[in-house]
Amino acid sequence: NAGVTQTPKFQVLKTGQSMTLQCAQDMNHEYMSWYRQDPGMGLRLIHYSVGAGITDQGEVPNGYNVSRSTTEDFPLRLLSAAPSQTSVYFCASSLESGLGTGELFFGEGSRLTVL
Amino acid sequence: GIQVEQSPPDLILQEGANSTLRCNFSDSVNNLQWFHQNPWGQLINLFYIPSGTKQNGRLSATTVATERYSLLYISSSQTTDSGVYFCAVGNFGNEKLTFGTGTRLTIIP
Repeated sequence: NAGVTQTPKFQVLKTGQSMTLQCAQDMNHEYMSWYRQDPGMGLRLIHYSVGAGITDQGEVPNGYNVSRSTTEDFPLRLLSAAPSQTSVYFCASSLESGLGTGELFFGEGSRLTVL
Repeated sequence: GIQVEQSPPDLILQEGANSTLRCNFSDSVNNLQWFHQNPWGQLINLFYIPSGTKQNGRLSATTVATERYSLLYISSSQTTDSGVYFCAVGNFGNEKLTFGTGTRLTIIP
């Protein structure tokens, strides 16, 4: 098992550009989520999904879109990048959903810089 | 939403020392997890412990849900224990896991 795989690991964008961060898991997990990590602020939830076709907003959803067409994939889209979106992004998945998040497994992170 | 406070924010210890990290939370939880972020940025799940006590080698964790806190114990610290330790909590039926701001642990050889 590869676990949770994120691509790309590093990306530099110009303000206004769009891009997609990819996340895939091969553990047949129902729950998937995206977090951003900024210095001194811990991890903040952007969007999450409890199964294919179901997504919901987290704590900081503005400027980001997600979709969940398959159990395995949960891409995060930035439609018009802003410097405030410079951050490290983590995708995470869990086997369980519906009664709260189960044990969470993280990808290796994607470092995004917006100039 | 739930507020999560971790203490201390920074901890510097000699190799071989023991340490206790604390996580306080503001509401009832049915989900509490401890994570270690190593110096390369990788996040590893240490414990899923909404209540009770668990041990894994030199690490153990205790959650007292009724008093709204959890403790992570690290014994005989090694340099590989360095990094940031995060506590994350969630309410019953709520898929939003809230993270604390972490404790940065530095182990000096």
